Amino acid sequence: QTVVTQEPSLTVSPGGTVTLTCASNTGAVTSGYYPNWFQQKPGQAPRSLIYSASNKHSWTPARFSGSLLGGKAALTLSGVQPEDEAEYYCLLYYGGAWVFGGGTKLTVL
Amino acid sequence: EVQLVESGGGLVQPGGSLRLSCSASGFTFSTYAMHWVRQAPGKGLEYVSGISSNGGSTYYADSVKGRFTISRDNSKNTLYLQMSSLRAEDTAVYYCVKHSSGRYVAPYYFDYWGQGTLVTVSS
Repeated sequence: QTVVTQEPSLTVSPGGTVTLTCASNTGAVTSGYYPNWFQQKPGQAPRSLIYSASNKHSWTPARFSGSLLGGKAALTLSGVQPEDEAEYYCLLYYGGAWVFGGGTKLTVL
Repeated sequence: EVQLVESGGGLVQPGGSLRLSCSASGFTFSTYAMHWVRQAPGKGLEYVSGISSNGGSTYYADSVKGRFTISRDNSKNTLYLQMSSLRAEDTAVYYCVKHSSGRYVAPYYFDYWGQGTLVTVSS
């Protein structure tokens, strides 16, 4: 059973910086897992933010960045805005299977 | 502008069947793989199924294998999910998602999402 783990919740102040992580129970997350990140606001469909660990879509705000950090995939928000309050999901690729993490609820307070 | 519009959701009894549709526009549908992703009420995202651009290759999560069938009609720019033997735990919003290439595998990626359609399995 493949399990992808994210922090259940995080809180950040406006203007601050926060890092969300994504871990796999199979071991270190590497570029070969092609991490994707998605943002979902209440009542809305998810929106794609990051693919292949660090690549941004054309619509992804510059304050969002993705990386691999300490054996995990990471999503860093720098200069957080109130509108960044949302649920964030990572998605990992396991050689044919895609598996979502449980999501991180980010509160901007 | 890429648009994905799901339809076909509704209330169905346990053991029943339902077919979801996803109408695509704004891109050359026959060129891209597609996925279905679901979200139970108040829960996280769950990957359900994927299909290659020509329909020749499909993938199913273990939770739906043998009960759901993904298909597509490239002449109608439409993706389908035929769901049978439905269970209460299949209750969710089902999203149609476009992939960035003709194969639903990495290193290609998910890009555009539809707004979803709600399926409720209850007696």
